[in-house]
Amino acid sequence: AQSVTQLDSHVSVSEGTPVLLRCNYSSSYSPSLFWYVQHPNKGLQLLLKYTSAATLVKGINGFEAEFKKSETSFHLTKPSAHMSDAAEYFCVVSASGGSYIPTFGRGTSLIVHP
Amino acid sequence: DGGITQSPKYLFRKEGQNVTLSCEQNLNHDAMYWYRQDPGQGLRLIYYSQIVNDFQKGDIAEGYSVSREKKESFPLTVTSAQKNPTAFYLCASSRGDSYNEQFFGPGTRLTVL
Repeated sequence: AQSVTQLDSHVSVSEGTPVLLRCNYSSSYSPSLFWYVQHPNKGLQLLLKYTSAATLVKGINGFEAEFKKSETSFHLTKPSAHMSDAAEYFCVVSASGGSYIPTFGRGTSLIVHP
Repeated sequence: DGGITQSPKYLFRKEGQNVTLSCEQNLNHDAMYWYRQDPGQGLRLIYYSQIVNDFQKGDIAEGYSVSREKKESFPLTVTSAQKNPTAFYLCASSRGDSYNEQFFGPGTRLTVL
C-alpha cells in the first residue's frame, strides 16, 4: 500500500522569498517520488523525480527536493519565488513492488505576492 | 514532436447524453490513464490500461467506460449513468513502471447543461 500527504493545501509567499512545499509518503516498497506542477486549466508537467539515485534532486525552474527516508518526506523547495511559480503542485508516489500505479497527493496551491 | 493530445478542449453535454473524450499519444507508451479533477480534490483515477485490449477500473469508474484497441488511443466515454460529470478530465501516459513519470495531456473541460 502507498499514500501521499501534502501537508499544506495553500502556501503563500512573497516574490523573491523561499518556497517550501511539504510532502510525506508511505510505501511498502522502494518508492519513486515525483513533483508535478499544474497551471490553471492546463495539464500537469513534471518538475522533478526521485528514483533511488541521489537523494537531492534538482528539477526545472530552480526547484529541488530532498528524499529523506528516515522522515518519509520529499519536500519541494526553491530559493526565490517568482510570480510565474503561482500554480498547483502535486506530490506523487509510485512503488516498484505490486502495482506501480501512481498515488497523488491532494495538491498544494502556491500563491506568490508581488 | 512527441506528446499526448486530448480533444475537445471544451465539451458541453445535455443531461442523458453519452459523450466521448479523445486521448492520443505518440510516445510509444504502454500505459495510459484517465483522471478526473474537481476543485480542491486533486486527481482521481477513473480507468487505466497497461496494455492494448486490457484496462482496469480506478477509484471512481462508475458511470464511465473506456476502450484500448490501439496502443496510441484510450478514449473515455462519460455515460448518462454518471450523475455529476461536470469536471476537468486529464489523460496521461507512461512507460508503465514505477520509476518513469507520466506525461499529461492538456485536459478536457466537460460541462453538463
